[in-house]
Amino acid sequence: GAVVSQHPSWVICKSGTSVKIECRSLDFQATTMFWYRQFPKQSLMLMATSNEGSKATYEQGVEKDKFLINHASLTLSTLTVTSAHPEDSSFYICSAPTPGGPDTQYFGPGTRLTVL
Amino acid sequence: SQQGEEDPQALSIQEGENATMNCSYKTSINNLQWYRQNSGRGLVHLILIRSNEREKHSGRLRVTLDTSKKSSSLLITASRAADTASYFCATDGTGGGNKLTFGTGTQLKVEL
Repeated sequence: GAVVSQHPSWVICKSGTSVKIECRSLDFQATTMFWYRQFPKQSLMLMATSNEGSKATYEQGVEKDKFLINHASLTLSTLTVTSAHPEDSSFYICSAPTPGGPDTQYFGPGTRLTVL
Repeated sequence: SQQGEEDPQALSIQEGENATMNCSYKTSINNLQWYRQNSGRGLVHLILIRSNEREKHSGRLRVTLDTSKKSSSLLITASRAADTASYFCATDGTGGGNKLTFGTGTQLKVEL
């Protein structure tokens, strides 16, 4: 069945470095993908909508220069956290709309980012 | 914030009991969805109820929706230890774009 994968599942990096997270739709194409972040024991907050072949749409308060999104193909979206700082440590989750509806989304397993 | 509220924040029950979680939201919706998240994992879709529906069943799950009160409830009957997880409601607003707004979540623990 349709699945969304993320890579890596966890990453530890030093403050000031950049980290790239990949989100892939397996067995289906996704012209749109969504990126969320989740702090411990909290809910998911939508960061941005990734659009294949065009610019991402960012939610209010999300720095587009800080969180770079690229959706270069119909099965891959990437989120790059640039110049990461400890406050960027979080659980990042991507999702893609269920192909053919009904308005639900498949979620990736998430990426745990820890910035030292 | 447009985020919905869920209550209770945490719920602990014995296996075999029913678990009820409530969700309130703020804006007009096309549909409301419930998702489950095991600790440190992604989300799994459980059930979707459209704005013109009032109740829906799926296996041991029963969802209600009251658009006049902007609220929904999720009932899990005959709970099992494997139901232990966090449960989130998410609304698909009328603004389009398939964007979901998640509630604050309920952490359910089902004890043997």
